Amino acid sequence: DAKTTQPNSMESNEEEPVHLPCNHSTISGTDYIHWYRQLPSQGPEYVIHGLTSNVNNRMASLAIAEDRKSSTLILHRATLRDAAVYYCILSANAGGTSYGKLTFGQGTILTVHP
Amino acid sequence: DAGVTQSPTHLIKTRGQQVTLRCSPKSGHDTVSWYQQALGQGPQFIFQYYEEEERQRGNFPDRFSGHQFPNYSSELNVNALLLGDSALYLCASSQLGGGWREQYFGPGTRLTVT
Repeated sequence: DAKTTQPNSMESNEEEPVHLPCNHSTISGTDYIHWYRQLPSQGPEYVIHGLTSNVNNRMASLAIAEDRKSSTLILHRATLRDAAVYYCILSANAGGTSYGKLTFGQGTILTVHP
Repeated sequence: DAGVTQSPTHLIKTRGQQVTLRCSPKSGHDTVSWYQQALGQGPQFIFQYYEEEERQRGNFPDRFSGHQFPNYSSELNVNALLLGDSALYLCASSQLGGGWREQYFGPGTRLTVT
């Protein structure tokens, strides 16, 4: 499985933007980039995913480098509820069908200050 | 629409015993994955079921087995429990498809082995 590298922790202030980086230099051409987050005492929660182009949804934006070796999850205005562990994950898509095994790393612990 | 549900919430077992954990997937989902999350670590993939068959398996011993029923619900069985099996066990459901499929996680079952 291709590996991702994330900072162990980051801090932000409430209502400020947050940029969470992820390096994946060994990504293959068919790997999707997924972001999940896990709030305390809960199961992981899907945030966003992309392949090559930048993506936006109601929760966040995903900026993917042109060479796809890195990506950044952008929370436009952090709230206290965004304090969580954020996981950057590559999901293989071999042959058009994949059972979607997710390989989690340590993730980035995001602390949001009031 | 109920999301992924898991039972029981908490469980305490003794070394050497056997345990069965249960998962009901999100409505419309046909694929169930199981993950083990030790304290302070990211979730680790155990296996995935689709059409009542194990399709992918992570690096877990044969003591870990599973089953998927015709209604897509699933069970995780662990035999000969070890102290190291103490963890949060997470179930995730999705629709079969490419690596882009988002997975929905349940709240988990906290297993303590004494």
